[in-house]
Order: sequence, then structure tokens, then C-alpha cells
Amino acid sequence: ETGVTQTPRHLVMGMTNKKSLKCEQHLGHNAMYWYKQSAKKPLELMFVYNFKEQTENNSVPSRFSPECPNSSHLFLHLHTLQPEDSALYLCASSIKDNSYEQYFGPGTRLTVT
Amino acid sequence: EDQVTQSPEALRLQEGESSSLNCSYTVSGLRGLFWYRQDPGKGPEFLFTLYSAGEEKEKERLKATLTKKESFLHITAPKPEDSATYLCAVLSGGYQKVTFGTGTKLQVIP
Repeated sequence: ETGVTQTPRHLVMGMTNKKSLKCEQHLGHNAMYWYKQSAKKPLELMFVYNFKEQTENNSVPSRFSPECPNSSHLFLHLHTLQPEDSALYLCASSIKDNSYEQYFGPGTRLTVT
Repeated sequence: EDQVTQSPEALRLQEGESSSLNCSYTVSGLRGLFWYRQDPGKGPEFLFTLYSAGEEKEKERLKATLTKKESFLHITAPKPEDSATYLCAVLSGGYQKVTFGTGTKLQVIP
């Protein structure tokens, strides 16, 4: 595997379910990010991790819970989501946390029913 | 509040027909402006970083320029494989404050 991978690529979940999104980067980077991309809206930065430490949380609802066990892996735990949370969730990584030369994964298309 | 506006929202070009995409911004203390390309079903792909007015960067048929109020992505003699959505983003002011535009969807017709 090369670059940034995300699993699953597609996810359909009910509002009462609990699921997790996984991201793995094979680039030796130290910073990882979660973004939300909705139709007709700009990318929204959700979380930033630098050397496994969370350095940014852009007022994201608590039903989204990130986890970064090491510099190569990032998770987004989901619970009691709302239909408006349906979107493409993108993971990215960069050499350091203040660099926007970021490498993105293909995203997870999430549908909340 | 920082704002990034991209225009046009969509652009259709004939192969070989050069044009420009615009990214205008209103930010407090620009630290960097970034261009990305996004293909359907994929994550954005980094293209350029510009840091100060007057700076230019080139890559194949693409050239990005920056002024104090806007950035242009010039596409010279585009090919169908240049079809994608082009995203602009700015890093400004405080730590990690990034704002993306909504993108320009480019279609190049053979």
C-alpha cells in the first residue's frame, strides 16, 4: 500500500449505530487530519493530530470522536449521527502539522439513514 | 471572518482553449494559498503553494499566480485529462486556520 488509505470506502448507518472510519498513511508523515466534504460546501477541517497529539478541534459535535494511536493511523468513531452528517469524510497527512502540502486519502462516503 | 470565493463555479472548455480560474480571498494575515485538484471519487491532490504576492508556480499546463486579493490558476492548451474540480484554500492568521473555497469544476471537451 502506498499513500493514504481509508476504509471503508462506503458506509451506510442508522442513527443509533456505532461505527468507525479508519485511515492509514504510508508516507512517514507526522501530522494527520480529518475533513468533512458536503455537496456544494467547502471542505471543513474537523481534527488535526501532530505526533499523535490532537492540536485542533474545530467545534465538532461530540458524536464524532477521533483517535490517533500512532503517527500512521487515525480513526474517526461515529455514534448517534444525524442525517445531515452524511458526507464524504477525507483523511489527509502532511510532514508536519503546519503544512498544507497535504496528501489525501480517497475518502469514505457516509450515508446516515 | 475569512472568506474564499472561487469562480466560475463550472467551466467548460474545448481542448486547447486556454483559460483561468479565479480564487479571491478576504483573510486576516495570509500565510499561504494552496491549489488542489480533485477527481470524482478521489481525495484532493496537492498542486501548488503560494506565499506572497507576485509569486508564481508552474506545473505542466498549469500556472498559479498570487496577488494581495486573489489567485489565478491559468490552464494553457488544456487536455481532457485536465477535467477535474480545482480547489483553492488559504492558511491565515492563527495556527491551523484554513479556509477552502467551493471549487471550480472544469470540463475539457475533446
